[in-house]
Amino acid sequence: GQSLEQPSEVTAVEGAIVQINCTYQTSGFYGLSWYQQHDGGAPTFLSYNALDGLEETGRFSSFLSRSDSYGYLLLQELQMKDSASYFCAVRQDYNQGGKLIFGQGTELSVKP
Amino acid sequence: TAGITQAPTSQILAAGRSMTLRCTQDMRHNAMYWYRQDLGLGLRLIHYSNTAGTTGKGEVPDGYSVSRANTDDFPLTLASAVPSQTSVYFCASSDRGDGYTFGSGTRLTVV
Repeated sequence: GQSLEQPSEVTAVEGAIVQINCTYQTSGFYGLSWYQQHDGGAPTFLSYNALDGLEETGRFSSFLSRSDSYGYLLLQELQMKDSASYFCAVRQDYNQGGKLIFGQGTELSVKP
Repeated sequence: TAGITQAPTSQILAAGRSMTLRCTQDMRHNAMYWYRQDLGLGLRLIHYSNTAGTTGKGEVPDGYSVSRANTDDFPLTLASAVPSQTSVYFCASSDRGDGYTFGSGTRLTVV
């Protein structure tokens, strides 16, 4: 079977740092992506890791360890607007499209 | 504004009726996808298309069909709707597979 595991909920305070973990077990792996979704709206792309290591984009960073089938999303200097659901997703296919399989999502609540 | 347009935004459908959810993109992406999102289950892939003229089955294809006659359009059809197909449906597209662009979704209720 295929599975992606991430915590269902995380709570943090404004200005803090939070890490959302993702472990995966899938048939085929070509990369790990992260998406943000506010209140059931359109998911938006945050980051993509094809190789081991850390990718940094502003306040957000994403890490991948392929040997451990593990990755995380790190959010720094949390703001109230970061309250949202965050999904990890495995790219299963090297074809142009990629074919992503998503985790069930982590709901992040940022408190003042 | 470039992106993906989905229609309708929401719909209530009687069980047994058919319906087509429309999805159009103007980014000239080769790959397109249909996902459904249910509470607690995340996004599940229904069907996908890597390029015009080709389609493939995802995780939950039963009860749905798709076609890809051209690059821009990727309609999803429910031939005979059932209540378990009540969900929010998202269409997405991708150029290189590393980042998807999603539409705003169609909220479908089958009664």
